[in-house]
Amino acid sequence: AQKITQTQPGMFVQEKEAVTLDCTYDTSDQSYGLFWYKQPSSGEMIFLIYQGSYDEQNATEGRYSLNFQKARKSANLVISASQLGDSAMYFCAMREGEGDSGGGADGLTFGKGTHLIIQP
Amino acid sequence: GAVVSQHPSRVICKSGTSVKIECRSLDFQATTMFWYRQFPKKSLMLMATSNEGSKATYEQGVEKDKFLINHASLTLSTLTVTSAHPEDSSFYICSARGGKDTQYFGPGTRLTVL
Repeated sequence: AQKITQTQPGMFVQEKEAVTLDCTYDTSDQSYGLFWYKQPSSGEMIFLIYQGSYDEQNATEGRYSLNFQKARKSANLVISASQLGDSAMYFCAMREGEGDSGGGADGLTFGKGTHLIIQP
Repeated sequence: GAVVSQHPSRVICKSGTSVKIECRSLDFQATTMFWYRQFPKKSLMLMATSNEGSKATYEQGVEKDKFLINHASLTLSTLTVTSAHPEDSSFYICSARGGKDTQYFGPGTRLTVL
């Protein structure tokens, strides 16, 4: 079973509209972290936002907010007032475990991504 | 924010040769770095975790003798693709842990094996 599921392979949105990118996850860990990254055509991975499993409030970073619904295991990214420069691939990712255990691997598991295109 | 660099950004090599990719954390120390591989129009797949001063931890299905990882210092991890073949052509991205909740990614290295 996939650990991170992004059901929208591609999305077209009008400039200035809000966008919601879906992400559901699967883990049996109590402690985990959820990330969203943006990957423009240049290939670099740009960190957008982070939500810890124990965080009670939804994370926000500027125009980005994360709609965290723990019971549904959902961590949707919301981009308000979309801009042309938001066109890119968007990846949802998860870190399982405490993260700072220092012992085991805690690399990220990525979803397949959503290709977002903002239209003028 | 923290900066991670990769070198080279792009490399083309002949089949059978070895290629070394460097990942450096420029303004912070990283005891743990990660190597990912991304195929065209695909997601990132974790290959291995690189720990400073110890052996790397490889994900299932990743050949440790094929992809040699060395984390010799707190700011440098290297990935060497040995005896490269065309199927090794891919986009390789490293990241460095900047704390429990943060990973900083390098700009990636595009490897093409002819």
